[in-house]
Amino acid sequence: DAKTTQPPSMDCAEGRAANLPCNHSTISGNEYVYWYRQIHSQGPQYIIHGLKNNETNEMASLIITEDRKSSTLILPHATLRDTAVYYCIVRPYSGGGADGLTFGKGTHLIIQP
Amino acid sequence: DGGITQSPKYLFRKEGQNVTLSCEQNLNHDAMYWYRQDPGQGLRLIYYSQIVNDFQKGDIAEGYSVSREKKESFPLTVTSAQKNPTAFYLCASSFPRVVSTEAFFGQGTRLTVV
Repeated sequence: DAKTTQPPSMDCAEGRAANLPCNHSTISGNEYVYWYRQIHSQGPQYIIHGLKNNETNEMASLIITEDRKSSTLILPHATLRDTAVYYCIVRPYSGGGADGLTFGKGTHLIIQP
Repeated sequence: DGGITQSPKYLFRKEGQNVTLSCEQNLNHDAMYWYRQDPGQGLRLIYYSQIVNDFQKGDIAEGYSVSREKKESFPLTVTSAQKNPTAFYLCASSFPRVVSTEAFFGQGTRLTVV
């Protein structure tokens, strides 16, 4: 039972903003939304996370809808080096239960020159 | 420099042999994870450990074994019982169930059965 749903692939022109959507309609009140990316044949890299407020760091912005059922990762000025698979995951921040850090198949973002 | 190290980067194994993949971290993280990735697929969880001397099966634990005798180390053994072991293996570590923490990943070990 997938916790998140992402499109399998997306294209974006270099220099443009890349907007990657993620649906997490069954998210619980104690779960954060995390984004990671994986460049080919490397380990995944953390990008950003949030609970309910929008977040921004040096890499990206995260917009979470008010009902928290979906979110969008924004890369403001995409470069060729942003070509990677982007994973959206939900993860509990406290309490009992497993903490398996589950990944889905992600979105393969291809930045076009 | 703090980080998580996997070794070796490439590993070849003959069919029927067990092989152990190394994962070491100096980030003082309590939780460690092993994932398997097949071409064009996402990451699938094999085993994870939230504390020394304790670990839990993930989604695809059959044919694998782990140990967690030290906080810094979480080796994965791919046994001969694993039917299709050729894959890219990733190790990660984090603080378990703590708000606002990220998981750090190693650079992976590519295992090929010959």
